[in-house]
Amino acid sequence: DAKTTQPNSMESNEEEPVHLPCNHSTISGTDYIHWYRQLPSQGPEYVIHGLTSNVNNRMASLAIAEDRKSSTLILHRATLRDAAVYYCILRGYGGSQGNLIFGKGTKLSVKP
Amino acid sequence: KAGVTQTPRYLIKTRGQQVTLSCSPISGHRSVSWYQQTPGQGLQFLFEYFSETQRNKGNFPGRFSGRQFSNSRSEMNVSTLELGDSALYLCASFRDRVSHEQYFGPGTRLTVT
Repeated sequence: DAKTTQPNSMESNEEEPVHLPCNHSTISGTDYIHWYRQLPSQGPEYVIHGLTSNVNNRMASLAIAEDRKSSTLILHRATLRDAAVYYCILRGYGGSQGNLIFGKGTKLSVKP
Repeated sequence: KAGVTQTPRYLIKTRGQQVTLSCSPISGHRSVSWYQQTPGQGLQFLFEYFSETQRNKGNFPGRFSGRQFSNSRSEMNVSTLELGDSALYLCASFRDRVSHEQYFGPGTRLTVT
């Protein structure tokens, strides 16, 4: 699977939007972009995924660059509960989605 | 609906012993994956099961094994425990092999002394 690059850490203020970047310059045409997050002392939690078009769900939005070499997870209004490690993961289409390859992720801190 | 259940939540074992961890997936989910999380190596994939068959295996020694039962419940076993096996072991459940959403349990914290 292609590699992703994320900043080690980011800070945000409560109730402000947060843009978490992910670079994946070697992404293949059939790779899906997934985002998971892990709150302290919990297992990872699925956030969102996409292939080419921007995606929205109740938790976040995913903006995918036109060339697909980068993407951005957008939290529209950060809350203290959003403080977590965010992982950007690529998975190929058609194969099993079972073996997620986690990198180090971005640790998001949210200040009140 | 109920989430992924892992038992026990905490475990302390001695070097050389073996341990069995259990995972009950979300009802209706047929696939289970296991991960090991340590401060040094982060989250690493162990194995994936679907319909009682191991479909994928990560880069772990043969001391790590698992199985899945007909009701989709899964167990993983670690034999001849080493200090380095101390970790959080996470189980993830998903509907089938092409599902994009994996649901993780709270994990089992294993400490080897």
